This record gives sequence, structure tokens and C-alpha cells, in this order.
Amino acid sequence: GAVVSQHPSWVICKSGTSVKIECRSLDFQATTMFWYRQFPKQSLMLMATSNEGSKATYEQGVEKDKFLINHASLTLSTLTVTSAHPEDSSFYICSATSQGYSETQYFGPGTRLLVL
Amino acid sequence: GNSVTQMEGPVTLSEEAFLTINCTYTATGYPSLFWYVQYPGEGLQLLLKATKADDKGSNKGFEATYRKETTSFHLEKGSVQVSDSAVYFCALLKDSSYKLIFGSGTRLLVRP
Repeated sequence: GAVVSQHPSWVICKSGTSVKIECRSLDFQATTMFWYRQFPKQSLMLMATSNEGSKATYEQGVEKDKFLINHASLTLSTLTVTSAHPEDSSFYICSATSQGYSETQYFGPGTRLLVL
Repeated sequence: GNSVTQMEGPVTLSEEAFLTINCTYTATGYPSLFWYVQYPGEGLQLLLKATKADDKGSNKGFEATYRKETTSFHLEKGSVQVSDSAVYFCALLKDSSYKLIFGSGTRLLVRP
């Protein structure tokens, strides 16, 4: 149980285009989903937290207009990188919890984004 | 503030060697503590967790004990395998909080 999937697993795009990454909880309802960014050989940096049906809460320093997050249902959250630039190239990982705060987060396999 | 400190890697061991990866934390109250493992090219997988002092989390031969007196949650395994090669992250989740705070990760390389 507690499986989280991400799609696509990797994507290459041209500079200036937008890329959408999906995060799905396959066998549970995710009341809260999280988006992380991981740079090579570094730890995870929390970008934002989304609750189903409400606006995402962004961490300090994360541009909300650049990283659009939508949590439209209890099993799906999307991260859209708008007008992507090479510096946005990274490994993006989502996680989900089923009972809100203080519950174990289950992580997706990640999406590797390369912006040319 | 809240933070997690892990020993720097990489840690290189021979198969069947004993593993310890140190993790200490700084937090007020009673956080929950976690170890996550990340295999190459993949996301994080929960390895084990402990939610209160003196709890021992265990999974797949790995163990970690929540030591409040030393604010530590060291990861141990008695006999590592090549398949254990991965990056290990220690993390804490503070009371009434949703934010996991990760350590910097420790890369483990197990040689046959």
C-alpha cells in the first residue's frame, strides 16, 4: 500500500516552454501533497505544500508564479514549471500523506527535468 | 531552529560489514524521526521510523533507536549487502507540523 506515482519520469524541454508533472496517490486519498526539489548529490528542498481544493503554500524563496501547483483531487497534484530555463533543471519529487500533519510521507519516484 | 545533522559520506564498506550512519537532531518538543533511502535514479523510500523516545524502528535488517538524551537516531545494520548501496537520509517531523526536515544524506557504497 501507500504508493505514489509521478509522470513523466523524465522530460527534456526547450527553454521558454512549460512542463507539467503529475503526482498521484494510487491506493489512498492524499489530503496533503508536497513538492520537493533535489539538486545533484544534495538533500531535498521543500518547495510547496498543497491541500486538496485549496491554494498551495509555498516556501520562502520559491516563485509561485513560476511553479504552479494544483491539487484538484484527493489523488492528484500537478506541478507546472512555467517558462522553464536551464537553471530549473533538477529532480522534482512529490510526496503525499493520507491523514494530514504528522503522518508518514510517501514519496513518488521523482521526475528528472532537463531544460535545454 | 530545527535541524538534522548526518555524517558525511561516502561510506564505503565491504559486503557483510557492520554499518553505522550517525544522525543527530536539534528540535524542541518531541519530533518523530525517520530514515529514508534513495536508490540511484529513484525517489525516497521510507526505511524506518520512530515516534517517541526509546522507540526502535527496524526494517530489512536496519535499526535505529530514538535517543532523546543524546538527540540521536543512528542507523545500524549488522551485515550490509551490495544491494544496500544507496543514499540514506535522516529526517525529523516536528509535533503538529507537516514539514519534514532532512539531513544532507549519506551515500553508502558496498563492495562485493
